[in-house]
Amino acid sequence: AQSVTQPDIHITVSEGASLELRCNYSYGATPYLFWYVQSPGQGLQLLLKYFSGDTLVQGIKGFEAEFKRSQSSFNLRKPSVHWSDAAEYFCAVGPSGGGADGLTFGKGTHLIIQP
Amino acid sequence: KAGVTQTPRYLIKTRGQQVTLSCSPISGHRSVSWYQQTPGQGLQFLFEYFSETQRNKGNFPGRFSGRQFSNSRSEMNVSTLELGDSALYLCASSSTGTGDSPLHFGNGTRLTVT
Repeated sequence: AQSVTQPDIHITVSEGASLELRCNYSYGATPYLFWYVQSPGQGLQLLLKYFSGDTLVQGIKGFEAEFKRSQSSFNLRKPSVHWSDAAEYFCAVGPSGGGADGLTFGKGTHLIIQP
Repeated sequence: KAGVTQTPRYLIKTRGQQVTLSCSPISGHRSVSWYQQTPGQGLQFLFEYFSETQRNKGNFPGRFSGRQFSNSRSEMNVSTLELGDSALYLCASSSTGTGDSPLHFGNGTRLTVT
């Protein structure tokens, strides 16, 4: 069964500092990988996705993520965070090959921005 | 283009009652998925509908059911509510519902069971 691990429940970063959120997955083949962000009281917004090809993918709001097959990781990065980036971040894995199975989400990382 | 709309935003129900939640997908999207979000279990997949057919179902009891209409709107029903059903229920739509078709989420319905 597929699974996603986000090792950090909370992360605190100073405004303007760089950010890296970790995500490790378990899946039999190369999965489809996603990062979503959730602000309080809101649904989830897609930041970026990886299906195949270039292992460094760019997303919205200045985020990027790198797929590393050897480490089964898909870490999210941002060079300089803004106070508005404070939110909950979810990594998710979806089935490749066109299946209609639902996404499997990690438990999330709560990002706190210090002024 | 309007996003995914879920109604109502908040619901308070009593144990044993039943509840129906509604979801209108993005225009043109034929797949609707439902997820339950709780602090303890996180986000868990409930089921997915495409063209009025349930294609996949998560590991939830039969008290959780859903349906999709010809206009792709979807409803989710929970019968015989339990305290543990208190959660944020999220609906997501996509064009095809397959892994390469990103999900677009609504803002959810917050269900509280007392």
